Amino acid sequence: GQQVMQIPQYQHVQEGEDFTTYCNSSTTLSNIQWYKQRPGGHPVFLIQLVKSGEVKKQKRLTFQFGEAKKNSSLHITATQTTDVGTYFCAGPRADKLIFGTGTRLQVFP
Amino acid sequence: GAVVSQHPSRVICKSGTSVKIECRSLDFQATTMFWYRQFPKKSLMLMATSNEGSKATYEQGVEKDKFLINHASLTLSTLTVTSAHPEDSSFYICSARLRRGSRTDTQYFGPGTRLTVL
Repeated sequence: GQQVMQIPQYQHVQEGEDFTTYCNSSTTLSNIQWYKQRPGGHPVFLIQLVKSGEVKKQKRLTFQFGEAKKNSSLHITATQTTDVGTYFCAGPRADKLIFGTGTRLQVFP
Repeated sequence: GAVVSQHPSRVICKSGTSVKIECRSLDFQATTMFWYRQFPKKSLMLMATSNEGSKATYEQGVEKDKFLINHASLTLSTLTVTSAHPEDSSFYICSARLRRGSRTDTQYFGPGTRLTVL
C-alpha cells in the first residue's frame, strides 16, 4: 500500500540553526500537505502544495514539492523555541489522508 | 473558521465500560469526518472514514464492532469504544473535511481525546 516516510525521525538543534525534514511517498501524489503538532496538541494544517516543483514560503518556513510529485521538504530557517513540535507531511489516497511518520523537532535555547 | 471540537478532552474509565467521544464541526458542514488514533511519539493512524448518513468505512485491522462510529448529521460524528480495555488507551483525534468545492483535501482536526482505561 501507499507509504509516506519522513526523515529524520527526530532532530534537536540549537536555537538559530536551520532544520529540514524530508518526506517521501511510494506513489505519486496529487498534492502534499504539511501539519505541525505541538507536544500534547493536535495537528494543525500548515500548507498544501499542488504543482510539480512548487515552492511556498511562510515567514521562516519553506516548503517544496518535488518535480516527480513523490517527495517534499520543509525547511525552517533560524529555528526558534516556538518551532518545537512534530512535523507531518500527508498525501491523499482516494478521499483519505495518509500521514508520514513525522519528524520531531526539539530546539534548545 | 473551520473549527472542530471534541468532547471529552480526557477520559479515564474502568476496563469493560464503553466510552463515547463526540466530534463536531462548529462553523461548517462536514460530509466526511475521519477518526485517527495516535500512540505516544507515533504518527496518526487512520481508523475509519465517517460519511454523513451512511455506514463508516473502517481501515484494515480496525474492529468495527469495537469502535462504533455514527455520523448522524453534517456537524457531528461519534466514536464509541465498546468494552474498553487497557490496550485501547490512546489519543483519539477526529478531523472534518469541508464540503466538496471548497479546499476539499484539507482536513481540520479536533483537539483530541486522551483515553485511559484502567
